[in-house]
Amino acid sequence: ETGVTQSPTHLIKTRGQQVTLRCSSQSGHNTVSWYQQALGQGPQFIFQYYREEENGRGNFPPRFSGLQFPNYSSELNVNALELDDSALYLCASSTRTLYNEQFFGPGTRLTVL
Amino acid sequence: KQEVTQIPAALSVPEGENLVLNCSFTDSAIYNLQWFRQDPGKGLTSLLLIQSSQREQTSGRLNASLDKSSGRSTLYIAASQPGDSATYLCARGDRDDKIIFGKGTRLHILP
Repeated sequence: ETGVTQSPTHLIKTRGQQVTLRCSSQSGHNTVSWYQQALGQGPQFIFQYYREEENGRGNFPPRFSGLQFPNYSSELNVNALELDDSALYLCASSTRTLYNEQFFGPGTRLTVL
Repeated sequence: KQEVTQIPAALSVPEGENLVLNCSFTDSAIYNLQWFRQDPGKGLTSLLLIQSSQREQTSGRLNASLDKSSGRSTLYIAASQPGDSATYLCARGDRDDKIIFGKGTRLHILP
């Protein structure tokens, strides 16, 4: 069974640029959630995708957008990058079964200069 | 507003001691409570998940309890080891899979 993978591992961008982060969900999982974790903070929920549809969104502006593909992998896109977007971006997958256990990937470290 | 609070923010204990990490949450209508471990700069490793109908879960030296009525969960670590040094995050889960995290407790086990 393959776990959750994310790419790239690290990324450096400048203000105003756009970035795309990728996540492959664990085998058999149909739900992907994205989180932003600033240094010293707990992860904050960005949005969730279930069967290719957005299924809930946290307190993030529209320049944060996403996609889920038929194989349940997902992308997080951030436009017009700001310095405060520097963070660890985590993706989690789950199956929406009785237990709803979330399995996390290793994260993508984004630095905005 | 749903919130998760973890106390203390940081903890240092000598190797071999038993310790308890605390987590409190608002809104007792949770679906589950999950404890994670995070090593510096890394992703999250799930340690224990407690369903709302359960009161505790155990895995090796770890035991997590859940008291919905008081809005509290604890993570008990027995016979701590230097390898247990990490940040421990508590997260409340709702039925729709969304979870809300606390800020974590940074644990340092002194050799």
